[in-house]
Amino acid sequence: DTEVTQTPKHLVMGMTNKKSLKCEQHMGHRAMYWYKQKAKKPPELMFVYSYEKLSINESVPSRFSPECPNSSLLNLHLHALQPEDSALYLCASSQDIRGTKNIQYFGAGTRLSVL
Amino acid sequence: KNEVEQSPQNLTAQEGEFITINCSYSVGISALHWLQQHPGGGIVSLFMLSSGKKKHGRLIATINIQEKHSSLHITASHPRDSAVYICAVIRGGGATNKLIFGTGTLLAVQP
Repeated sequence: DTEVTQTPKHLVMGMTNKKSLKCEQHMGHRAMYWYKQKAKKPPELMFVYSYEKLSINESVPSRFSPECPNSSLLNLHLHALQPEDSALYLCASSQDIRGTKNIQYFGAGTRLSVL
Repeated sequence: KNEVEQSPQNLTAQEGEFITINCSYSVGISALHWLQQHPGGGIVSLFMLSSGKKKHGRLIATINIQEKHSSLHITASHPRDSAVYICAVIRGGGATNKLIFGTGTLLAVQP
């Protein structure tokens, strides 16, 4: 099983809502990633977790709050988002964060629209 | 100037043609990835290279470390190959392993 599963596939939320994106993998990977991708642009890294600890935070606004409850699950909690946060949010995982074990497997993404 | 440049940005081919997408980078790297993204969809990792050449089905990826250049070739192209192809590198010797992405090549294969 080389699958990274993201839910929901689509999400529409208002600026005052609180919602969460979920990502799950059962490959035994110990590194998990959140990316944001705007249309016709490459993905931008947001967060990296390594062994359930936050390893990289790319100066992401606090209205995005990641959580890694266990080695298989990664959440992204959303609160008070802005319309410019509308994008495709991609989750990825890899065996480790370094070297040849860093092949990242991506999920299909959550298409987020903020009204 | 981007650290990872791809060419061409857009490519239209007829079914059956041989396709080449190029990637040049300006930093020392530990590995280079080729990724595929279908419209509105997630990303699939095609190859990870640190030297030489890899082949998977109709796809071939090569890398020349001295010239800081990689190519992705598609033989006998098919409309289902239509997608964005993204080159991404991992900076060598860095404290982090984050991917540095190219801007992508949009490929359309017409029947």
